[in-house]
Amino acid sequence: GNSVTQMEGPVTLSEEAFLTINCTYTATGYPSLFWYVQYPGEGLQLLLKATKADDKGSNKGFEATYRKETTSFHLEKGSVQVSDSAVYFCALSTQGGSEKLVFGKGTKLTVNP
Amino acid sequence: EAGVTQSPTHLIKTRGQQVTLRCSPISGHTSVYWYQQALGLGLQFLLWYDEGEERNRGNFPPRFSGRQFPNYSSELNVNALELEDSALYLCASSLGVNQPQHFGDGTRLSIL
Repeated sequence: GNSVTQMEGPVTLSEEAFLTINCTYTATGYPSLFWYVQYPGEGLQLLLKATKADDKGSNKGFEATYRKETTSFHLEKGSVQVSDSAVYFCALSTQGGSEKLVFGKGTKLTVNP
Repeated sequence: EAGVTQSPTHLIKTRGQQVTLRCSPISGHTSVYWYQQALGLGLQFLLWYDEGEERNRGNFPPRFSGRQFPNYSSELNVNALELEDSALYLCASSLGVNQPQHFGDGTRLSIL
């Protein structure tokens, strides 16, 4: 079946540090890949997406590249801020009309000043 | 543009009761999705509605049900509540098939 595996958290960084959150997936066909972010007490916000191999999604300084050969979609940011503290979820959506998102377990990021 | 709105924001029920959660999608979105975010279980897909029809269902018992109205808003009904139904219930909407899903802030349901 389809699944997403994220690196276990929590991750604690100092402001301006480099961030990588690893995400790998297993899927039939050609899934679309997403990163969502959840701030405390809120729902999920779409951070970025990629719909085919070698696509790079980017938003708010975050980037992730769809790597079909390694079935990965790692999230990166060059310089994190305290306001980036949140839980980050990697997700996939398969084609063919099933239209459900399959999520990883989430990675909690804390950025200290 | 108003986002996905859910009501109520918090709800406390007891075992055996029934509950209805409501969701209004972003204007122009025809698909609505429901997810359960329970502690320790992560985000689990519940239901997908499109154009008033149930299109897909996750691995949940039949006491979880819902519907979508002609204005594309949706309800999630849970009967015979159990303690393990305590969770954050998230609604999302999209423009349709293969379009990104946008989430509301959720309804936090606590079962005593």
